[in-house]
Amino acid sequence: DQQVKQNSPSLSVQEGRISILNCDYTNSMFDYFLWYKKYPAEGPTFLISISSIKDKNEDGRFTVFLNKSAKHLSLHIVPSQPGDSAVYFCAATAYGNNRLAFGKGNQVVVIP
Amino acid sequence: NAGVTQTPKFQVLKTGQSMTLQCAQDMNHNSMYWYRQDPGMGLRLIYYSASEGTTDKGEVPNGYNVSRLNKREFSLRLESAAPSQTSVYFCASRPGQSYGYTFGSGTRLTVV
Repeated sequence: DQQVKQNSPSLSVQEGRISILNCDYTNSMFDYFLWYKKYPAEGPTFLISISSIKDKNEDGRFTVFLNKSAKHLSLHIVPSQPGDSAVYFCAATAYGNNRLAFGKGNQVVVIP
Repeated sequence: NAGVTQTPKFQVLKTGQSMTLQCAQDMNHNSMYWYRQDPGMGLRLIYYSASEGTTDKGEVPNGYNVSRLNKREFSLRLESAAPSQTSVYFCASRPGQSYGYTFGSGTRLTVV
């Protein structure tokens, strides 16, 4: 049973435009959310996170928005750059839990 | 650089053979994890170890065993490999209470 869902498996965007990745979760106990980025032949790397006490967290070109009532979060990349071409995984947990639940990932291709 | 080291990077096994995937981290992290990544399935947790001397099952533990040899090392063993275990395996470690896991670069395993 997938607790973290990422639809629209792939996204193509022009360089300089905004990339928006969406993630939905089903477990109401989740209160901490993360995005990881993965290049081919490498392990995932941590990108940005948000706690449920916030509805927005920003780090440079990356912003994560959380809508708790809809159990939905999104990652915005502005402006998109060719180096952002990667697979992005959404992950969630209940803070204090030892485990993360990952989504299936979204492939982003940024076209120069 | 400090990080998570996985060996081997590639392996081909015949059905029924056994092997151990090695993982070591030099960041003094308490928690370590083994994930597998399959196309369209995202990252699925096989086993994890919250601290030295403890291990717990994840989502897909069948067919695998683990050993937390010491704080640095967490190995994954396939006793009798099956084609369904063809996958990319990632080891990760977790720094304290943070969820910004550090992943290794992966082991690509093919079982024929």
